[in-house]
Amino acid sequence: EIVLTQSPGTLSLSPGERATLSCRASQSVSSRHLAWYQQKPGQAPRLLISDASTRATGIPDRFSGSGSGTDFTLTISRLEPEDFAVYFCQQYGDSPRTFGQGTKVEIK
Amino acid sequence: EVQLVESGGGLVQPGGSLRLSCAASGFTLSSYWMYWVRQAPGKGLVWVSRISNDGNSTTYADSVKGRFTISRDNAKNTVYLQMNSLRDEDTAVYYCARAGQLWSHDYWGQGTLVTVSS
Repeated sequence: EIVLTQSPGTLSLSPGERATLSCRASQSVSSRHLAWYQQKPGQAPRLLISDASTRATGIPDRFSGSGSGTDFTLTISRLEPEDFAVYFCQQYGDSPRTFGQGTKVEIK
Repeated sequence: EVQLVESGGGLVQPGGSLRLSCAASGFTLSSYWMYWVRQAPGKGLVWVSRISNDGNSTTYADSVKGRFTISRDNAKNTVYLQMNSLRDEDTAVYYCARAGQLWSHDYWGQGTLVTVSS
């Protein structure tokens, strides 16, 4: 199975700053089938990005995804207070679908 | 509005059984593959099982194979997860999630907590 490793584990930033989250796969993710989800405490995950770079419906354009092969990035251009949360990447190109362990974006 | 609502969680002893339900509304369930994903307390997300839109194809994580069974009743707009021989390590919030047009999980339920403990 494809193992996804997210870094850093925790990102401490201030509102208005840029956040760069990394997701590295143990083998190439087919067809760029890589998604990013946001999860806040006590809530279900929320889809942000599909196919590495396609924003989901209603997701602000400060969220962007990039990458291919084994290296993917989620960028939040200017952090808003509501963006402080945990972010997971997921590959859905191969079975079983696997998730990264998450990156927590916390207020500095 | 698309909604997924899980139910059926609770406290169960090791070796016991539970059946989770995921009630879907706001879309045509028979057009979508559906998934169960779980999250142990304070941990990450783990895929558990999936079922094709017509119910003819099912797949399971190795950790639950032979113990869990996924099924669906499209007429009742409901997906199920029958969980038998439950273990302590099955303790988690269980989410049902839809695989959308791009095959990522575009909608999730609120989750139902399963606690396996004596």
